[in-house]
Amino acid sequence: DAGVIQSPRHEVTEMGQEVTLRCKPISGHDYLFWYRQTMMRGLELLIYFNNNVPIDDSGMPEDRFSAKMPNASFSTLKIQPSEPRDSAVYFCASSEQPNTEAFFGQGTRLTVV
Amino acid sequence: AQTVTQSQPEMSVQEAETVTLSCTYDTSESDYYLFWYKQPPSRQMILVIRQEAYKQQNATENRFSVNFQKAAKSFSLKISDSQLGDAAMYFCAYRSGGATNKLIFGTGTLLAVQP
Repeated sequence: DAGVIQSPRHEVTEMGQEVTLRCKPISGHDYLFWYRQTMMRGLELLIYFNNNVPIDDSGMPEDRFSAKMPNASFSTLKIQPSEPRDSAVYFCASSEQPNTEAFFGQGTRLTVV
Repeated sequence: AQTVTQSQPEMSVQEAETVTLSCTYDTSESDYYLFWYKQPPSRQMILVIRQEAYKQQNATENRFSVNFQKAAKSFSLKISDSQLGDAAMYFCAYRSGGATNKLIFGTGTLLAVQP
């Protein structure tokens, strides 16, 4: 398997624009996670899915953030409208079962100017 | 709420030497998992080692081993025979054994390996 695949790797956008980050989990993994990494707050969980259903979205910072998982092989994280403070690295991760290790993608570095 | 603390923002080790990275955590749960992840400059998060709280034996993966002290809530990582490729940010992480499946990360330790 190619691992967790995220796109794009880098995204630069202007404040107010919509941004969509994409993730393809490892095939057969039932859990998918979105994390955000910043210098100030470190790594924090935004939301996670089990079998395409959102289970815990308590980490989603604001209504400007939304995440979907329309099928087992694809998820999106959307920010609309984007703001400079959203600049961060966004990671997607997947795991096979609750207590197995999470495999991370290479992350998307988002810069909002 | 669970917390993970890494008190060493930066560490340095000579190539071929041994280094220990510290991690403490706070939880009231008895069933949980602990992890060390490595993040090299490529940004990829790579699992180094994991420890189940119910296991008394310390986990070992080649040159990497942990010292898990459950009563003290301490989970340190020892890297033996350090190599240049070990240079990275290392994150300690906690996951509940219950329904909550999220990883809680420490702030990380940046490890430099000197040739």
